Amino acid sequence: DSGVTQTPKHLITATGQRVTLRCSPRSGDLSVYWYQQSLDQGLQFLIQYYNGEERAKGNILERFSAQQFPDLHSELNLSSLELGDSALYFCASSWTPTAADGYTFGSGTRLTVV
Amino acid sequence: DQQVKQNSPSLSVQEGRISILNCDYTNSMFDYFLWYKKYPAEGPTFLISISSIKDKNEDGRFTVFLNKSAKHLSLHIVPSQPGDSAVYFCAASGAQGGSEKLVFGKGMKLTVNP
Repeated sequence: DSGVTQTPKHLITATGQRVTLRCSPRSGDLSVYWYQQSLDQGLQFLIQYYNGEERAKGNILERFSAQQFPDLHSELNLSSLELGDSALYFCASSWTPTAADGYTFGSGTRLTVV
Repeated sequence: DQQVKQNSPSLSVQEGRISILNCDYTNSMFDYFLWYKKYPAEGPTFLISISSIKDKNEDGRFTVFLNKSAKHLSLHIVPSQPGDSAVYFCAASGAQGGSEKLVFGKGMKLTVNP
């Protein structure tokens, strides 16, 4: 157990629907990162939050949004889902806003859009 | 535009021999490099890192070498063990607007045969 909790582990939904992925960071970590891993792709950075504030944005679609709450958990909202959104979504956390000491990843949420 | 490249998708070695995993990067602003290991159905776990001010970092059976002029790094595992069989991701970071998000390669599957 890495200490980073992601729910749900698996999600199957239809095209056009909206889903919410949840992440609880490791205790004491203020930074949360969201990554997407599609088939044959590396981990693509989506967005980072640090202590409730958006810190950096990557290749995140406009249909996707995220937020970090006062208790530091984070949610990634995916709407108007398309088949191509099927992927593994990872959340990671760190105690600093930088990545020098690496992140701690959760075990991911596997999203399947049918 | 892929800034971190792992050009070989897979590697197979015999137990006890050396495993060498390679990674190339294009962005000269990267100043910190990390290797992550990922088992199926788990999130990536941090393995070893190296700062751009060093050319070698060693941790037990794992050594990372950095050649800045060639924009190349490699991970050596000696001796390789069957439990090392996993997907290995190379990642890089550099301060970009105060956030050092990690940029990952596509990963390389290592198989260590008994």
